[in-house]
Amino acid sequence: DQQVKQNSPSLSVQEGRISILNCDYTNSMFDYFLWYKKYPAEGPTFLISISSIKDKNEDGRFTVFLNKSAKHLSLHIVPSQPGDSAVYFCAASAVTNAGKSTFGDGTTLTVKP
Amino acid sequence: EAGVTQFPSHSVIEKGQTVTLRCDPISGHDNLYWYRRVMGKEIKFLLHFVKESKQDESGMPNNRFLAERTGGTYSTLKVQPAELEDSGVYFCASSASLLNTEAFFGQGTRLTVV
Repeated sequence: DQQVKQNSPSLSVQEGRISILNCDYTNSMFDYFLWYKKYPAEGPTFLISISSIKDKNEDGRFTVFLNKSAKHLSLHIVPSQPGDSAVYFCAASAVTNAGKSTFGDGTTLTVKP
Repeated sequence: EAGVTQFPSHSVIEKGQTVTLRCDPISGHDNLYWYRRVMGKEIKFLLHFVKESKQDESGMPNNRFLAERTGGTYSTLKVQPAELEDSGVYFCASSASLLNTEAFFGQGTRLTVV
């Protein structure tokens, strides 16, 4: 059974609008969460992370929200740009070994000009 | 500074053959990870090296897979003999520290077993 789930395989938004990507996890032992972005034929690239002691982390246009009680996190991109079109992976790990992560299936984001 | 590099980019082999994938991590990164993505699904952890030692190989599918990291630098992942279900994209990643640090991924090796 998957411990990290991204229930939306794809998302399409208009340039300039907000993109919201969602992720749910089941394992309470996870205490560090990451979002990776992946372009075709490339490896995942780290985007933003959040520790379980926080409920929000912001970096420029990207904000990650964590709701521990609901075991849910989301990535907000605002404003969305065509260059943001990619596959976004949610990943969960232990803070003591963030390189070993459990990934979701990914959500393909398309930002239309 | 060079990123994580993987060789080859693509490999097509017949069932029963042997394939060896190579990963060169970022220089100075003691932690090296192997992951696999099958059929567009999740990226699954295979194993973790700290320098030349296997720290965690809980994700290795079976004994047809052998990973090595002699000298604590580059790593190889050998599949022998390959089966159809081994097809997928194999990613290598490295990190300098275990704490609060993301992994840097290579571009992946796409393995197709026919």
